[in-house]
Amino acid sequence: SQQGEEDPQALSIQEGENATMNCSYKTSINNLQWYRQNSGRGLVHLILIRSNEREKHSGRLRVTLDTSKKSSSLLITASRAADTASYFCATVGLTGGGNKLTFGTGTQLKVEL
Amino acid sequence: DGGITQSPKYLFRKEGQNVTLSCEQNLNHDAMYWYRQDPGQGLRLIYYSQIVNDFQKGDIAEGYSVSREKKESFPLTVTSAQKNPTAFYLCATNPGGAGFTDTQYFGPGTRLTVL
Repeated sequence: SQQGEEDPQALSIQEGENATMNCSYKTSINNLQWYRQNSGRGLVHLILIRSNEREKHSGRLRVTLDTSKKSSSLLITASRAADTASYFCATVGLTGGGNKLTFGTGTQLKVEL
Repeated sequence: DGGITQSPKYLFRKEGQNVTLSCEQNLNHDAMYWYRQDPGQGLRLIYYSQIVNDFQKGDIAEGYSVSREKKESFPLTVTSAQKNPTAFYLCATNPGGAGFTDTQYFGPGTRLTVL
């Protein structure tokens, strides 16, 4: 089963604009991670935010986490054509069945020149 | 993709045949994982191993088998019992210790097509 639902499913923006994608999840978490996947390739880890953190930055990336709403957002500022990829959130739960990494369905981002 | 290799990149198989996908890592990581990705979907966990000679089923283990005889290697066999095996298969590793709570490192993937 998939824990996360991402919104929007697809996003097309112009280079230089900001891109925001959202992730909602169902059960309590230990942490939430964002990954990027270029077409036909493996995933690359971007950022990890723990359940007791509200915001985290890494370069042009900003992630927020609202555990009361069970949601997270990923903001990419000043986007570039090279940011074109699919972005996935993944959660690590607290209980039962081990701390498995459960992925959302992903947002496809296209950054046009 | 770091120090994780998956081979082959593309694999074609006839219905009714078993096929083994290779995953090798030189990161000295304890934990290894296999995921399946279908078009437009997220990843689903097939099997994982946190230590040599031990592995556990993930969410969709039916029709798959694994072994973990060496720390560096975690091959996945897709058996004829897997009803819809056409998919993109991704192997990942994790240093271990904290287990799943740490970052996972992914290989480049193998695309399996059943003819």
